[in-house]
Amino acid sequence: GDSVTQMEGPVTLSEEAFLTINCTYTATGYPSLFWYVQYPGEGLQLLLKATKADDKGSNKGFEATYRKETTSFHLEKGSVQVSDSAVYFCALNAGGTSYGKLTFGQGTILTVHP
Amino acid sequence: DAGVIQSPRHEVTEMGQEVTLRCKPISGHDYLFWYRQTMMRGLELLIYFNNNVPIDDSGMPEDRFSAKMPNASFSTLKIQPSEPRDSAVYFCASSIQGALSGNTIYFGEGSWLTVV
Repeated sequence: GDSVTQMEGPVTLSEEAFLTINCTYTATGYPSLFWYVQYPGEGLQLLLKATKADDKGSNKGFEATYRKETTSFHLEKGSVQVSDSAVYFCALNAGGTSYGKLTFGQGTILTVHP
Repeated sequence: DAGVIQSPRHEVTEMGQEVTLRCKPISGHDYLFWYRQTMMRGLELLIYFNNNVPIDDSGMPEDRFSAKMPNASFSTLKIQPSEPRDSAVYFCASSIQGALSGNTIYFGEGSWLTVV
C-alpha cells in the first residue's frame, strides 16, 4: 500500500542553520506530494506541494523537489528561524482508489534555538 | 472564510462516558476527514466522507467509535464508552475533491480529549 517515511526526529538547530528533512514514499502510479506544518497547539496547514515529477514546491523559504527516480520529496530551508519550530509532516495522495485521502508520514519535530 | 470549526476544543471526561466531537467544514467542501493524533501512533485517518457519504472507515479503531455526517455542514465523531487510551487530539479536515490533483486539505484546530 501507499506509505511515507520521514527521517527520525527530533531535529534541533541554531537560528540561520540549514535545514533538511528527508521524506521518501511508496505509491502506485504518480502521487501528489505535500508538506504540512503543525505549530504548537494548532492544526496542520499546507506548507507546499508538488503534483508531478521534477516539480518544485516552495513557500516561506522552504523548498522541496519531487524526485520520481529516488521516490523522494525532501524539505529544505537555507536559514531557519525560531518561528520555524514546529512539527513537519510529509504526505501523499496516490489518486485512484485512494480517492481524496492523504497518507502522512510520522512527523518530524523541529526546534530552532536563538 | 471561518475555516474548519471544531468543538469542543478541550474535553476531559471519565472513563465509560460518551464523548461527542463536532465539526463544521468549510462551506462548499465536499470531502470531510477525521484524524486522530497521539504521540505513540502519530496522525491516523479514522474515516472520511465524500458528499456526506462515508468512503473509508477502515481506520476507526473499534465499534466504540462512530461518525456521522447528516448534512454538508456538520459531522460528529462519537466515542461510547470512552476509555483512557482514547485520549488524543482529534482533527477534522475538509477539502474540495480531497487531495486529488494536489488540492489542499484544511484542518481544524483540533479537539483535545482526555479520558481519566
